[in-house]
Amino acid sequence: DSGVTQTPKHLITATGQRVTLRCSPRSGDLSVYWYQQSLDQGLQFLIQYYNGEERAKGNILERFSAQQFPDLHSELNLSSLELGDSALYFCASSVAGTPPMNTEAFFGQGTRLTVV
Amino acid sequence: AQKVTQAQTEISVVEKEDVTLDCVYETRDTTYYLFWYKQPPSGELVFLIRRNSFDEQNEISGRYSWNFQKSTSSFNFTITASQVVDSAVYFCALIANRDDKIIFGKGTRLHILP
Repeated sequence: DSGVTQTPKHLITATGQRVTLRCSPRSGDLSVYWYQQSLDQGLQFLIQYYNGEERAKGNILERFSAQQFPDLHSELNLSSLELGDSALYFCASSVAGTPPMNTEAFFGQGTRLTVV
Repeated sequence: AQKVTQAQTEISVVEKEDVTLDCVYETRDTTYYLFWYKQPPSGELVFLIRRNSFDEQNEISGRYSWNFQKSTSSFNFTITASQVVDSAVYFCALIANRDDKIIFGKGTRLHILP
């Protein structure tokens, strides 16, 4: 058990809908990362938050947004869903957000999103 | 730009054979961290090892060993006497000093055949 909790584990929804994925980081971790894993793209970094502030942005679509709340949990919102958004979405957390960097990221079990 | 390349997309070996998974990375930073993660069929990502750029000492943990060579920008992972439970996708990853996001390779799918 990594200590990172993601809910729900599975989600099936229709095209055009909106969903929210939730992540609770490990106790004490200030950074939260979101990743998308699809068969053809591999693991893609989406976005990082550190202590409530957006820290880095990767290949995140405009239809997707995220936020980190004062209690450090994070939500990833996916809207106007398309079939191609079907993927495994991982959340990871780590202690640091700034150097010196001596951290590893701990991953949740992922949320498998299926868009039908 | 940071980049991680895992050239082996898929490997199949018979149980008890040794197998090496290759990882080549690119970064301009002098301080960086390299990782290996395992993703078993159940889907979760499991942390295996972290190595910083100043520590080129090879590491052994049971049947697992890692060979870090800065001269060739490689961080290879060897499983000795492989077992069926080692079947998984293995990801190599990099964090560079200037950037806190983890860059993953595309992964190597390892099949250990009984």
